[in-house]
Amino acid sequence: AQSVTQLGSHVSVSEGALVLLRCNYSSSVPPYLFWYVQYPNQGLQLLLKYTSAATLVKGINGFEAEFKKSETSFHLTKPSAHMSDAAEYFCAVTRGDTDKLIFGTGTRLQVFP
Amino acid sequence: DTGVSQDPRHKITKRGQNVTFRCDPISEHNRLYWYRQTLGQGPEFLTYFQNEAQLEKSRLLSDRFSAERPKGSFSTLEIQRTEQGDSAMYLCASSLASGGPRTQYFGPGTRLLVL
Repeated sequence: AQSVTQLGSHVSVSEGALVLLRCNYSSSVPPYLFWYVQYPNQGLQLLLKYTSAATLVKGINGFEAEFKKSETSFHLTKPSAHMSDAAEYFCAVTRGDTDKLIFGTGTRLQVFP
Repeated sequence: DTGVSQDPRHKITKRGQNVTFRCDPISEHNRLYWYRQTLGQGPEFLTYFQNEAQLEKSRLLSDRFSAERPKGSFSTLEIQRTEQGDSAMYLCASSLASGGPRTQYFGPGTRLLVL
């Protein structure tokens, strides 16, 4: 079975500070991993995805994530937070033989001026 | 470029009533997915289609829930005899079937409140 754990349901940073959102996965087969962002009362928007082509994945809006097999992690980072980054972030995992996404419980990012 | 659309955006109903939601995927996408998201949780997979064929269903999809995609374009999700526990955001997503891993593009969701 696959699962995702997001450590920290809430993260607060100052504008301009580093953003680090943690995601650890469990999978018996090589996983595909995703980060999505959700703004209030909206659907989910893909930030980036890991497809095994490269361990460091760059996404939209300056976000990136690094796949670390030894740590079973796929943490999301951004060097400098912007007020507009305030949202809910979800990590998700799937296998190659199914399209079913397994989501974590999400991390709410607050950005203070 | 039209994204995934869902209708209605909000639905309030009384317990025991039936409700139906509609999802229109991105036009060239042949895969369509339904998820449910309760407050403070991540989305949970319900079911997905390739064209008109329903390929996978979650155990969350009880016999009160039924999803269809009759012509391989739009899809409907019906909940019969609604219960208060059905209150949630119902999200639809679509993707192309080719290549992998497939990126799922989500609609804005339908928020259901069962009184």
